[in-house]
Order: sequence, then C-alpha cells, then structure tokens
Amino acid sequence: GQNIDQPTEMTATEGAIVQINCTYQTSGFNGLFWYQQHAGEAPTFLSYNVLDGLEEKGRFSSFLSRSKGYSYLLLKELQMKDSASYLCAVGDYKLSFGAGTTVTVRA
Amino acid sequence: DAMVIQNPRYQVTQFGKPVTLSCSQTLNHNVMYWYQQKSSQAPKLLFHYYDKDFNNEADTPDNFQSRRPNTSFCFLDIRSPGLGDAAMYLCATGDGSGANVLTFGAGSRLTVL
Repeated sequence: GQNIDQPTEMTATEGAIVQINCTYQTSGFNGLFWYQQHAGEAPTFLSYNVLDGLEEKGRFSSFLSRSKGYSYLLLKELQMKDSASYLCAVGDYKLSFGAGTTVTVRA
Repeated sequence: DAMVIQNPRYQVTQFGKPVTLSCSQTLNHNVMYWYQQKSSQAPKLLFHYYDKDFNNEADTPDNFQSRRPNTSFCFLDIRSPGLGDAAMYLCATGDGSGANVLTFGAGSRLTVL
C-alpha cells in the first residue's frame, strides 16, 4: 500500500517562495507526481520525477530522493492565482494521492 | 482539443435512488480511472479499466460499479447512494505507461438528499 504525508496548509506572500514537502512509503514506485487543484475543480498535472534530483519547469521545481522517500515542490515568484491545493501522488500506472497542501497567497 | 469530459457536472439524488455518471475521452488512452474525493481529502481510487480489463480496489463498496462499453466511454453506477457517498467523482485517463501522467475531467459533484 501507499502512505503519503504532506502538510495541511501553508501561507505565503505574493512574490515569495514556498516549499511543499511530501514523504511517502510505497510498495510500488515508478514516479512521484505533483498536481495542482483549485477549489471545486479537477487536479491538473504540474510535474513528475522518476529519478533522484531536481526537475525545473518555469516557476515550479520538484525534487525527489527515492532513498529517503521524500519530495518537495518549490513554487517561486508566487502569484495570487497560485492559491490552490497541491497534491503529491506516487505509483506506477495507478496513482495514490496525498490529501493535499492548501497554499494561500496573500498580497 | 483532446480532453476528458464528465457529465453531469452536478448531480442531486435522493437517498437510495440510483445514479449514473459518465466520462468520455478523446485522448485514446488505454486506462480510465474513477476517483472519489471528499472535501479536503485525497482522491481515492475506486476502480480502473486497463483496456477492457476491470480492476476493482479492495475497499471499494459493492454499491459502486463501472462499465466501459468502448475505448472512449466509461460509466460509474452508484446503485443505492447513501449520505456518505456525497463527493466529487473524478474520471481520469492515462496511457498505462510506467510513469504515466493522468488527465482528469472536471468532475461530477454528487449531492445526496
């Protein structure tokens, strides 16, 4: 089975940087995924890591350490529209999701 | 644009009255999934189809069933909805590769009165 932990809430100021941590224990792993979900909407894909290290996509970066069962999502130059829930997910062709971290961006 | 479409977006039903939610895709993906998501909780996988092969998660209640008549369409049937079944139901598709990105539909929000 899967056990995925991430903080419940985080608050940051517009223009700042926020790091969302995710730890996991899993019986099957092919990748770690990050999804963004705005309130009342479906999750949308942000990034994924298969190998250890940092993946950068514009303002968003994701890091993975498979030996530590640890990942983080880094959001830079925060904008108001980044206020959302960020879901960490692990698995192969079936994904198990964490409960999400709600990020609130304040002006 | 290739996409995943769910209908209806909002469904209100009475306790015990059967409900069917639909999902269609134009991505030609092999795998279709149904997730249940309650407020502030993680999406929970109910079942998935890998092509025509149906795969039920061990803890999915018998009240929930699914049909996939062809590659493009998948249905979620809730035979006798209870108050605890009120949730957002998310359909997703994937190509079935080792690290495949899921594409979600907009979701169907079910209210049970």
